[in-house]
Amino acid sequence: GEDVEQSLFLSVREGDSSVINCTYTDSSSTYLYWYKQEPGAGLQLLTYIFSNMDMKQDQRLTVLLNKKDKHLSLRIADTQTGDSAIYFCAEAMLASKIIFGSGTRLSIRP
Amino acid sequence: DAGVTQSPTHLIKTRGQHVTLRCSPISGHKSVSWYQQVLGQGPQFIFQYYEKEERGRGNFPDRFSARQFPNYSSELNVNALLLGDSALYLCASSGGGTNEKLFFGSGTQLSVL
Repeated sequence: GEDVEQSLFLSVREGDSSVINCTYTDSSSTYLYWYKQEPGAGLQLLTYIFSNMDMKQDQRLTVLLNKKDKHLSLRIADTQTGDSAIYFCAEAMLASKIIFGSGTRLSIRP
Repeated sequence: DAGVTQSPTHLIKTRGQHVTLRCSPISGHKSVSWYQQVLGQGPQFIFQYYEKEERGRGNFPDRFSARQFPNYSSELNVNALLLGDSALYLCASSGGGTNEKLFFGSGTQLSVL
């Protein structure tokens, strides 16, 4: 079946690293994505990783992919108040359909 | 450069009415996808259009329909609105190639009373 699962909430202290985890079901997925949604806004593509990669780093963002366990994670280094948002993990299926998780709400403590 | 634009931004309808939502993709993008995001959930795939043809359809009833115009803009139509159709409707554009990086608009917030 098609299902992407994420934990609903994460709270971290400002300046610490945030790690958001996701599991997906379709081993044939070609691309996996992380999107960010701020209140009242659409989704912003943060980063993506091709399924034959293990890791991708982009400034403060690090994506790790464990294809064997179908596990994807997003690490945000030096988390700032502006990182408060809902983060969605998503996988690209066939026929250009993208399946999203329910989102992880990241809150930042001072 | 203009991103994905959607109109209207907010809409209030009553049950049984019909609604049309509009989307203009990023210049040069030939594919438009529609997603429904109910409060507290992730977006759910409704349709994808590429070069004016339907490329994919999600698990939505026939009350939902869409089309794409020669300039690649798109409309989503929903007939016989139900209370459960209340949601944020997101349009996304992409080049239409194999790497489906979607770029989303800010959405149309539809409230059905």
